[in-house]
Amino acid sequence: KAGVTQTPRYLIKTRGQQVTLSCSPISGHRSVSWYQQTPGQGLQFLFEYFSETQRNKGNFPGRFSGRQFSNSRSEMNVSTLELGDSALYLCASSLQGKNSPLHFGNGTRLTVT
Amino acid sequence: AQTVTQSQPEMSVQEAETVTLSCTYDTSESDYYLFWYKQPPSRQMILVIRQEAYKQQNATENRFSVNFQKAAKSFSLKISDSQLGDAAMYFCAYRSPTGTASKLTFGTGTRLQVTL
Repeated sequence: KAGVTQTPRYLIKTRGQQVTLSCSPISGHRSVSWYQQTPGQGLQFLFEYFSETQRNKGNFPGRFSGRQFSNSRSEMNVSTLELGDSALYLCASSLQGKNSPLHFGNGTRLTVT
Repeated sequence: AQTVTQSQPEMSVQEAETVTLSCTYDTSESDYYLFWYKQPPSRQMILVIRQEAYKQQNATENRFSVNFQKAAKSFSLKISDSQLGDAAMYFCAYRSPTGTASKLTFGTGTRLQVTL
């Protein structure tokens, strides 16, 4: 079974631009969540989608948004990029249930210049 | 809000030896889940082991085991017979029994070096 696939692996953008990151979950997984990883703040939860609906959102500004499609693939969008948005963005998928572990992708490394 | 603390930024172990990584957490909940994830240079977070708080027995996965002390809110990871491939960042994570199952609270990580 293929794992979680994130594209692209690397991205360089300029301040003020917007960016879209993509995540394809493991087949059969309907829950997709996003995390931001930075050296200063560590791993922080961005949001979770299930059946095309956002179920939970972390403490991030409205510039961070996402969506999920009917095939469970998800995208996250960051508008008006700031230097502080430079980070590794990790996507994870899981089955339903509190005991279901998260399966992570390799992440997208975003650099904002 | 729950917090997870990993007090060892870096650890080093010789190949074939045993090492223990520490993790403490703060919560007022009684039923929750704890995880250890490994992040090698490939960046992918890989689940190492998990523990349900209501289970008193410590989880074990091959060379990896935990020492779960619920009263002390401690969840340490023991790696036996360390291998070069164990070198990575290790993150301890907490999942609340309420709210979304996908929201984990992570510690700051411990970088493990494995030497010959």
